[in-house]
Amino acid sequence: DVKVTQSSRYLVKRTGEKVFLECVQDMDHENMFWYRQDPGLGLRLIYFSYDVKMKEKGDIPEGYSVSREKKERFSLILESASTNQTSMYLCASSPTGTQFFGPGTRLTVL
Amino acid sequence: GDSVTQMEGPVTLSEEAFLTINCTYTATGYPSLFWYVQYPGEGLQLLLKATKADDKGSNKGFEATYRKETTSFHLEKGSVQVSDSAVYFCALRQNTGNQFYFGTGTSLTVIP
Repeated sequence: DVKVTQSSRYLVKRTGEKVFLECVQDMDHENMFWYRQDPGLGLRLIYFSYDVKMKEKGDIPEGYSVSREKKERFSLILESASTNQTSMYLCASSPTGTQFFGPGTRLTVL
Repeated sequence: GDSVTQMEGPVTLSEEAFLTINCTYTATGYPSLFWYVQYPGEGLQLLLKATKADDKGSNKGFEATYRKETTSFHLEKGSVQVSDSAVYFCALRQNTGNQFYFGTGTSLTVIP
């Protein structure tokens, strides 16, 4: 079975902190994705990566950056967390076709 | 651009009732279509998919048929159970790329 893991299920940070969300997949997938999920808005794509060191902006990249130094790991970085970044963050990986999701990280920024 | 529209929730049904969750899409060409399910406190799981017109995806008693003429991919189940309570997402992916487009999700609660 494909496994996508995220470093934390719950995270509480303060405004202005730098926040790292880690995602690891164990199936050698080329493509990895970061979404945020908010009530009434569904899933919105923040960034995705189709190869090591490659990244593409999604629909809402402002306030975020990403890093993919190894194929299995895709990190989402909030350079200076703000309260409007309080959300559920979902990571996914994909060969081609179906996306496989991690359990999500619920981030609260106070 | 590509997009997915699904029916507003929340939906509340009694156990053994019939379920329909509507999903329509806007896309050029022939995308693949998906239904994902998210149980409380978890990430999304693939429920079923269809990759071409008239294909029927099915899993765990759920079905959806890819209707190109009506650009729809409605999710149905003949008899829901309490354990089906979850949020359901319709999604599409163009076959020329890797980006998915998700609907806003429909919350289903099944009461005994």
